[in-house]
Amino acid sequence: QQQVKQSPQSLIVQKGGISIINCAYENTAFDYFPWYQQFPGKGPALLIAIRPDVSEKKEGRFTISFNKSAKQFSLHIMDSQPGDSATYFCAASRSSGGYQKVTFGIGTKLQVIP
Amino acid sequence: DAGVIQSPRHEVTEMGQEVTLRCKPISGHNSLFWYRQTMMRGLELLIYFNNNVPIDDSGMPEDRFSAKMPNASFSTLKIQPSEPRDSAVYFCASSVAGRSETQYFGPGTRLLVL
Repeated sequence: QQQVKQSPQSLIVQKGGISIINCAYENTAFDYFPWYQQFPGKGPALLIAIRPDVSEKKEGRFTISFNKSAKQFSLHIMDSQPGDSATYFCAASRSSGGYQKVTFGIGTKLQVIP
Repeated sequence: DAGVIQSPRHEVTEMGQEVTLRCKPISGHNSLFWYRQTMMRGLELLIYFNNNVPIDDSGMPEDRFSAKMPNASFSTLKIQPSEPRDSAVYFCASSVAGRSETQYFGPGTRLLVL
């Protein structure tokens, strides 16, 4: 049972285009929503994160949009570049047994073509 | 500044053999996580240590898996006996106390059990 549902699983975008990855969750106890970026042969690295009291967070070309009532959030990559080609994971965390337990989506493999 | 260090990076073994994966967290981080990544299930938390003590091992698949953290700078994940279905990439991650929602991942160990 996936607690964090992510789509699409793969995405091809032209250079300069907008990449959009969507995630949805059910558990309203989640209180922190990070996105991780993973390049081949590397571990995931934190890219950007948002808390549910904010509807949008922007860092450079990366923006998280958050819809608390719909329990959905998305990552937008503006002006996508070939160097953005990677796998992106949305995640959600909640307090569990005294620590913030992170649950990851299945991942989206993004390919940006020139 | 060294990140999380994992060894070996690749491991090929035969079914029934013992496998030991090693992790050195970032200095000063006192939370450590072991994850397993597969195409079908994505990133799954296996076990979480805080101050060298296992806090959440609910993700450990079965008794064949065990993990230890004898000191703040070293952890092992052992599989005995290994099975082909254990083939995956195993990641170790660490975080600062109280900030376990922000994790720093190692490069992973790619395990293939024949």
